[in-house]
Order: sequence, then C-alpha cells, then structure tokens
Amino acid sequence: EAGVTQFPSHSVIEKGQTVTLRCDPISGHDNLYWYRRVMGKEIKFLLHFVKESKQDESGMPNNRFLAERTGGTYSTLKVQPAELEDSGVYFCASSQTPRGEAFFGQGTRLTVV
Amino acid sequence: QQQVKQSPQSLIVQKGGISIINCAYENTAFDYFPWYQQFPGKGPALLIAIRPDVSEKKEGRFTISFNKSAKQFSLHIMDSQPGDSATYFCAASMRWNAGNMLTFGGGTRLMVKP
Repeated sequence: EAGVTQFPSHSVIEKGQTVTLRCDPISGHDNLYWYRRVMGKEIKFLLHFVKESKQDESGMPNNRFLAERTGGTYSTLKVQPAELEDSGVYFCASSQTPRGEAFFGQGTRLTVV
Repeated sequence: QQQVKQSPQSLIVQKGGISIINCAYENTAFDYFPWYQQFPGKGPALLIAIRPDVSEKKEGRFTISFNKSAKQFSLHIMDSQPGDSATYFCAASMRWNAGNMLTFGGGTRLMVKP
C-alpha cells in the first residue's frame, strides 16, 4: 500500500513567485494535515481537512497560504507570493480517523531566494 | 511561546549505550504524547506513544517515562545502535478533542557511534 506522497521533493523559487505543493494521502484516509518545519525549529501544525472540508486552519500563518482539497482526495498548498521566511520543509500527513495514527509524507523542502 | 520544549538538540552516544531525550510541556489539557523518528529524506514516523494515566511504556528497546506532576516525559533508547541515528521529535495533543493536531518539540538529532 502506498504511503503519503508529496510533490515536489524540493522547490527553489524566487521571492514573489508562486509555488504549489501537492499531497496525496493514503487511500481511504479522510483526514489530511499540513505541517511545516521552518529553519530547523519545531514542526508546526498548519491545517486539518476532513474530506474536502477545512476542520481547523488555525495554524495557517497568513493569507498568502491557500490550501485546497477538492473531491476529498489529494490536497494542494499554494504560497502566493512567496517570502523568504516561507522557506522550510512542508509535511503532509493523513489518518483514517481524527484520532487514528497519522502517517507523514517525506516532505517538500521549499527554498525561497 | 513553545508549548513543548525538547532537549538536548543533539546527542552523541556510543553503540550499546543509553540515549535519553527529554521533553516538557505547558498545556495540562494534552492527553496524548507520541514520539516520532525521522530518517534523512523521510517523514516523521510514529515510534511509541503514551497517555498520561500511565507512567511508563516500553516497546522493545524504546521506553517512554511520563511524569504528570512535573509535566515532563522522556524517551530512553536502550542498547543504542547505529541504525537508531535519526532525528527524534516528541509531541503532544489533545487527542480526544483535537485529534492529530500535534504540537511538536524542536527535535533531537541522535548519532550513535559504532
């Protein structure tokens, strides 16, 4: 069974550009989470989808970040326009139930220059 | 304000030794305390977890010790092996209410020398 898959693995963009990260959760997992780790600090929660609905987006840093999960399958996280402080590793995780084990993808390393 | 503080940031242990990583939390509403292991190029993977009604949980060479009154918990890796070299994250959540909205510690990079 495939795990959580994230695309791309790495992305280097210039300040002001737009980047879209994609996450494919484990099949059948209704719950999808986005996290990010900035500058070697702690991993921080961004938001939680249940199917296509945003259950909790309290961790989204500002309105430059837009997450979608159309059809309740894969999710995208768009950063527009990207700033230098957005650099970090963005992780996606999924779980079958809200309290079930969350499985993480390998992450997307975003570098904004 | 960091709600879960983890120490040390890095740790070097000889093969066969004991690795100890400590975490302290602020929010007494946390009711689930997992530890994650992350290898380079991979995502964090659940290693072991504990609830606050238990003071210790052991799975193979990995043990969590939990001190509710002190709001601290720690991971002990017995007979540490080079294959244990990875980054370890402690985390906490209000699992009943908030599920997998995890609050992570800063991570500990463990190196086990052969």
